[in-house]
Amino acid sequence: DSGVTQTPKHLITATGQRVTLRCSPRSGDLSVYWYQQSLDQGLQFLIQYYNGEERAKGNILERFSAQQFPDLHSELNLSSLELGDSALYFCASSFGGFSGNTIYFGEGSWLTVV
Amino acid sequence: GDSVTQMEGPVTLSEEAFLTINCTYTATGYPSLFWYVQYPGEGLQLLLKATKADDKGSNKGFEATYRKETTSFHLEKGSVQVSDSAVYFCALLPPSGNTPLVFGKGTRLSVIA
Repeated sequence: DSGVTQTPKHLITATGQRVTLRCSPRSGDLSVYWYQQSLDQGLQFLIQYYNGEERAKGNILERFSAQQFPDLHSELNLSSLELGDSALYFCASSFGGFSGNTIYFGEGSWLTVV
Repeated sequence: GDSVTQMEGPVTLSEEAFLTINCTYTATGYPSLFWYVQYPGEGLQLLLKATKADDKGSNKGFEATYRKETTSFHLEKGSVQVSDSAVYFCALLPPSGNTPLVFGKGTRLSVIA
């Protein structure tokens, strides 16, 4: 158990809908990262927050957004869903920023868009 | 930019065979290097790491040595078990502090009894 908690574990929704994925980082960790894992794209970095502020942005679509709340949990919002958004979405956390910190991953949220 | 190249799978081995999964990297400076493992239907778990040249990371019988001269971080295990069947990801964390983990594409390992 990495200490990173993600909910829901599985989600099935229709195209055009909106979903929210939730992540609670390990106790004491200030950074939260979101990654998308799909069969054809591998593991893609989406976005990182550090202590409530956006720190880095990767290949995140405009239909997607995220935020980190004062209690450090994070939410990833996916809207106008398309079939191609079906993937495993990972949240990860670390104490500080990127350099020198081990990043721990949650078990992921499986999203299926039908 | 920074990148990780892993040997393509799938790799199929018999139980108790020796395992090597090759990983090489391209990076500016001296990154930290990691192996993550994803068991079927589960999330990513940190397997081992090394933060500087010549460091050896080890865990659960797996080992990898940070080789600066060959820019490699090959994963090895002397005797694999069926329970080691999983996808293994090599990753680097650049020293710059400005970019996140960069992953290889993953190598699927199947161990048969």
